[in-house]
Amino acid sequence: QSALTQPASVSGSPGQSITISCTGTSSDIGTWKFVSWYQQYPGKAPKLIIYEATKRPSGVSGRFSGSRSGGTASLTVSGLQPGDEADYYCCSYAGSAAFILFGGGTRLTVL
Amino acid sequence: QVQLQESGPGLVKPSETLSLTCSVSGGSISRHYWNWIRQTPGKGLEWIGYIYTQGSSKYNPSLKSRVAISADTSKNHFSLKLLSVTAADTAIYFCAREPEMVASPYGAFDTWGHGTMVTVSS
Repeated sequence: QSALTQPASVSGSPGQSITISCTGTSSDIGTWKFVSWYQQYPGKAPKLIIYEATKRPSGVSGRFSGSRSGGTASLTVSGLQPGDEADYYCCSYAGSAAFILFGGGTRLTVL
Repeated sequence: QVQLQESGPGLVKPSETLSLTCSVSGGSISRHYWNWIRQTPGKGLEWIGYIYTQGSSKYNPSLKSRVAISADTSKNHFSLKLLSVTAADTAIYFCAREPEMVASPYGAFDTWGHGTMVTVSS
């Protein structure tokens, strides 16, 4: 069982927007702004697409955006494209005790 | 551009020690945080720990009693040892870098190796 909770799957049609939630607790997302999101294609390593809840690394499309409210973080993908079909993982700092936690992952399907 | 490459045995017997090395090219391991992360079909991604060659390391509390991460700056690589492995340790093992930033480390892994599959079986 993963420490952060994500939906197993989400789907959307090309051009639409989808949002993936990541639910934590007051020990992690509820306290710390340090939430990251990763995109992973089958057989590949994860790729960082959001850090510090809302920031995008250089080179990441502006169609990816992140937010955080209370103990939940969210990743929004706008203008869905077939190439967005992948697994998405959230990750949060959880203080000096637990340190770094991942969510269970969400499979995004572009219909 | 920094590149990471994992290496080590793909098969380890139960109760033995899993040993992997991550070779870093295009940059020095004397800066930044160098991590091991694993992925299993059942549990997804799991952070194992990091080493910071300027003087610290940190491990996942659930693995802390069995894990050791070390670094060799002369060879520009870092290593993972996981003791007393069981079938539950079967996974793809990734090495990853977290860059030094004001608040790091906190889970922003910007560079990853391709991953190496390790199976625990007799």
